[in-house]
Amino acid sequence: DSGVTQTPKHLITATGQRVTLRCSPRSGDLSVYWYQQSLDQGLQFLIQYYNGEERAKGNILERFSAQQFPDLHSELNLSSLELGDSALYFCASSAMTGMGTEAFFGQGTRLTVV
Amino acid sequence: TQLLEQSPQFLSIQEGENLTVYCNSSSVFSSLQWYRQEPGEGPVLLVTVVTGGEVKKLKRLTFQFGDARKDSSLHITAAQPGDTGLYLCAGIGGTSYGKLTFGQGTILTVHP
Repeated sequence: DSGVTQTPKHLITATGQRVTLRCSPRSGDLSVYWYQQSLDQGLQFLIQYYNGEERAKGNILERFSAQQFPDLHSELNLSSLELGDSALYFCASSAMTGMGTEAFFGQGTRLTVV
Repeated sequence: TQLLEQSPQFLSIQEGENLTVYCNSSSVFSSLQWYRQEPGEGPVLLVTVVTGGEVKKLKRLTFQFGDARKDSSLHITAAQPGDTGLYLCAGIGGTSYGKLTFGQGTILTVHP
């Protein structure tokens, strides 16, 4: 158990819909990262928050947004869903940013868009 | 954009064999990490290498960071079925605030 909790574990929704994925980081970790894992693209970095503020942005679509709340949990919002958005979405947390930081990953949310 | 290329993409071997997975980039990384991921789970960190030329051993696993900090390798000695999984290398750049750039991964299958 990594200590990072993601809900829901599975999500099936229709194209055009909007979903929210939730992540609770390990106790005390200030950084939260979101990654998307698909068969053809591998693990892709989406966005990072540190203590409530956006710190780094990757290849995140404009239809996707995220935020980190005062209690440090984070949500990833995916809207106008397309079939190609079907993937595993991982949240990771770490105690600090920078070189050699160990990131702890949740079990992921498997999103299927039909 | 920093990219990491892993090879081979697939590896199927018999128990007891040795294997090496490579992770290469044209970019310099501050540090490089290796993760192992099992089906239905998130990646789990195996090791972090920071210094160019560094070698770290974890039981039957040996990790090496290239002198120029652009490449790394993972060597497994006497592979066991329990080593089966997806192995991912991930680099951390100088100003990446800890975000990881992952390679495509190597799916290792060790047959009894």
